[in-house]
Amino acid sequence: RKEVEQDPGPFNVPEGATVAFNCTYSNSASQSFFWYRQDCRKEPKLLMSVYSSGNEDGRFTAQLNRASQYISLLIRDSKLSDSATYLCVVTRGTYKYIFGTGTRLKVLA
Amino acid sequence: SAVISQKPSRDICQRGTSLTIQCQVDSQVTMMFWYRQQPGQSLTLIATANQGSEATYESGFVIDKFPISRPNLTFSTLTVSNMSPEDSSIYLCSVALGQANTDTQYFGPGTRLTVL
Repeated sequence: RKEVEQDPGPFNVPEGATVAFNCTYSNSASQSFFWYRQDCRKEPKLLMSVYSSGNEDGRFTAQLNRASQYISLLIRDSKLSDSATYLCVVTRGTYKYIFGTGTRLKVLA
Repeated sequence: SAVISQKPSRDICQRGTSLTIQCQVDSQVTMMFWYRQQPGQSLTLIATANQGSEATYESGFVIDKFPISRPNLTFSTLTVSNMSPEDSSIYLCSVALGQANTDTQYFGPGTRLTVL
């Protein structure tokens, strides 16, 4: 079993839709959690950190559920420009970052 | 955040040769990382490079194949030695900013390597 698992998708959604991704992690000692976005042929870029209390940034909401060991990302009012691969990242120990394989999102006009 | 540049941005190399990738950061950072991302896959950590000490390699990666230099706090190189087609990949450097265990990684634009 992979330490960080994501549904690879693709998720094809119409513009304006709400879409949610989950990411599960297997190591209960995981400490920090992030969502990164990666556009085709580009480097990953930080979308948001994920805190126990949950956090929101505009149309994006991230949640952490430590009991069930998953994090989620909710995107409201999807835009065409949201089309990308969303990478879940979990840290374990000092500077040990584990990347999920990513979830592909395609927002359709 | 940090501004990170990598050179070259891409290269096509012959089997058996070596390529050195450079990573430059616009600020001093303690931790730098080298990743590989093969087509359609996620990122795999090759090694962690601290200034003034030997790089720490992940399982499956060895210094003879991927020697790393870290001469100062803003620069690092990764060499892919004795290349084979299986080394075709994107190689990314990154830096960690913030407090240990809560900090965030920022990535360079990557080096796209094709080995013939």
